[in-house]
Amino acid sequence: DIQMTQSPSSLSASVGDRVTITCRASQSINNYLNWYQQKPGKAPNLLIYAASSLESGVPSRFSGSGSGTDFALTISSLQPEDFATYYCQQSYSIPLTFGGGTKVEIK
Amino acid sequence: QVQVQQSGPGLVKPSQTLSLTCAISGDSVSSNSAAWNWIRQSPSRGLEWLGRTYYRSKWYNDYAVSVKSRITINPDTSKNQFSLQLNSVTPEDTAVYYCARHIGAFGTIDSWGQGTLVTVSS
Repeated sequence: DIQMTQSPSSLSASVGDRVTITCRASQSINNYLNWYQQKPGKAPNLLIYAASSLESGVPSRFSGSGSGTDFALTISSLQPEDFATYYCQQSYSIPLTFGGGTKVEIK
Repeated sequence: QVQVQQSGPGLVKPSQTLSLTCAISGDSVSSNSAAWNWIRQSPSRGLEWLGRTYYRSKWYNDYAVSVKSRITINPDTSKNQFSLQLNSVTPEDTAVYYCARHIGAFGTIDSWGQGTLVTVSS
């Protein structure tokens, strides 16, 4: 199985801050990497697919980068509605696997 | 717009079978481009993919090794839905269970059910 490791596991930031979350795969997954946002009591919601493609309807302050084993999700200017937990997920091979999550909290 | 709607009990006794159903609207369980998945989430295991069913001229299933001996995912074409059965449950199977659609060349999970908290307890 491909292991996905996210860092940090949590962070505190202020509205307007630039935030970057990283995700590392245990082997190359090309660009088969997706990012999701999850708010309490809700299902995850797709933000970025294929490492850097913005899902329709997602604000442009979200961006993704990387390929191979190292990836990043960046929020250019954190908004109040962005406080949530973020997960990466690889779709290169079965079983699908997820990172452990990064909780973004208000400073 | 695709929607998936889950149903099933929230409490299951140890050693019994967990059964959930996911009704699909806006797509077909027999789609040649989608796969229909069950994923669970717990504080101890995080987001854990359990398995999927999909149709590519015939039906296929893939299951996670951790549950392979206990799990069955079945499509129901007459009702456009799919189901999860997990046998011989223990308290470690307590989690929020999601059904979800997996689609596209990059395998995005673009539609999720609302989630069902299933507690395994006597």
